Amino acid sequence: DQQVKQNSPSLSVQEGRISILNCDYTNSMFDYFLWYKKYPAEGPTFLISISSIKDKNEDGRFTVFLNKSAKHLSLHIVPSQPGDSAVYFCAASAMGIQGAQKLVFGQGTRLTINP
Amino acid sequence: DSGVTQTPKHLITATGQRVTLRCSPRSGDLSVYWYQQSLDQGLQFLIQYYNGEERAKGNILERFSAQQFPDLHSELNLSSLELGDSALYFCASSGGQGYNEQFFGPGTRLTVL
Repeated sequence: DQQVKQNSPSLSVQEGRISILNCDYTNSMFDYFLWYKKYPAEGPTFLISISSIKDKNEDGRFTVFLNKSAKHLSLHIVPSQPGDSAVYFCAASAMGIQGAQKLVFGQGTRLTINP
Repeated sequence: DSGVTQTPKHLITATGQRVTLRCSPRSGDLSVYWYQQSLDQGLQFLIQYYNGEERAKGNILERFSAQQFPDLHSELNLSSLELGDSALYFCASSGGQGYNEQFFGPGTRLTVL
């Protein structure tokens, strides 16, 4: 049972345009969401997060939108740059007792930015 | 550079053997997490330690165990290794309790032959 789903395995976008990566989740207990970026042979790099009490969080070129009723979040990258080419993972978390926190990851979307 | 270090970078071993993976968290971080990334399973949470105590457990096999030491570094022990244990093993750390971003190390690639 995959609780976090990224239905697009890959996405190709032209440099300078907007990249939109999508993520759906099924567990209504999730209340904290994160996006990570991963290059080959490296660990995931934290990009941006959002708490379920918000519906939008922005950091520079990156904006995350959360639609709780649809159990859907998206990451917008504007403008897209060649260095953004990587695999992007969506992750979700529900706070457990005594600070227990485990991230449940989607399968990832490979973003390619074309010059 | 996330500040999380992992050793070794690569490990090649045979079935039935036992290995230890090591992780040093970012300075000041009290929580350490272990994740496994295999080709068909994606990134899977294994276990979390907070200040030396186990806090959360995922789908970690009984053949696997972990601990966090007083200096906050952590070790993941994998025993009776099988071919299917070949994967990337990531360590992450975060500060304090409550919601915090987790910062990942570069990973250890384990190959079981």
